[in-house]
Amino acid sequence: GQNIDQPTEMTATEGAIVQINCTYQTSGFNGLFWYQQHAGEAPTFLSYNVLDGLEEKGRFSSFLSRSKGYSYLLLKELQMKDSASYLCAVRDGNYKLSFGAGTTVTVRA
Amino acid sequence: GAVVSQHPSRVICKSGTSVKIECRSLDFQATTMFWYRQFPKQSLMLMATSNEGSKATYEQGVEKDKFLINHASLTLSTLTVTSAHPEDSSFYICSADVSAGAHNEQFFGPGTRLTVL
Repeated sequence: GQNIDQPTEMTATEGAIVQINCTYQTSGFNGLFWYQQHAGEAPTFLSYNVLDGLEEKGRFSSFLSRSKGYSYLLLKELQMKDSASYLCAVRDGNYKLSFGAGTTVTVRA
Repeated sequence: GAVVSQHPSRVICKSGTSVKIECRSLDFQATTMFWYRQFPKQSLMLMATSNEGSKATYEQGVEKDKFLINHASLTLSTLTVTSAHPEDSSFYICSADVSAGAHNEQFFGPGTRLTVL
């Protein structure tokens, strides 16, 4: 199984940068995903890392260190619409995803 | 990207009744679909892996006789919650595993909110 830890809540100001950390312990690793989920809705895909390093995608970037079991999601130029829950998920060799509990990000004006 | 739909989006039922939730891949074929459950303020928990043409694989602690899964075609998987009770009230989400270039990715349906009275 997988143990996935991420902070419960974070608050930031519009226009700022926020970094959401995720640590994991896995019995098999086949990629790490970040999803955004608004209340009452299904998760939407943000990023995918399988090799060490930084993946940049517009205002969102994600980093992975497999040796440390660590990832982060970086949100830049925060907008009010970025207020949501951000889920870190690890995929095992059977293509099953295990999710962290999610980090609720609140963006304030 | 790939589109996954779910029906119904919201259902309220009496305790003891059965509820069927449909998950469809609209523009692609899905040999494998996944069913998750999410309680308020908690993360998604995988319930089972649905395989087209074969039996579903259930996660530990999930009763296969209570949560019946049928994946009869490459575009449809159904989850039936039998004899539902209030503790089964939850947000049920399905997903399909799709090849997205260099990697596979799971696309999620919009979810079904089940409330058992």
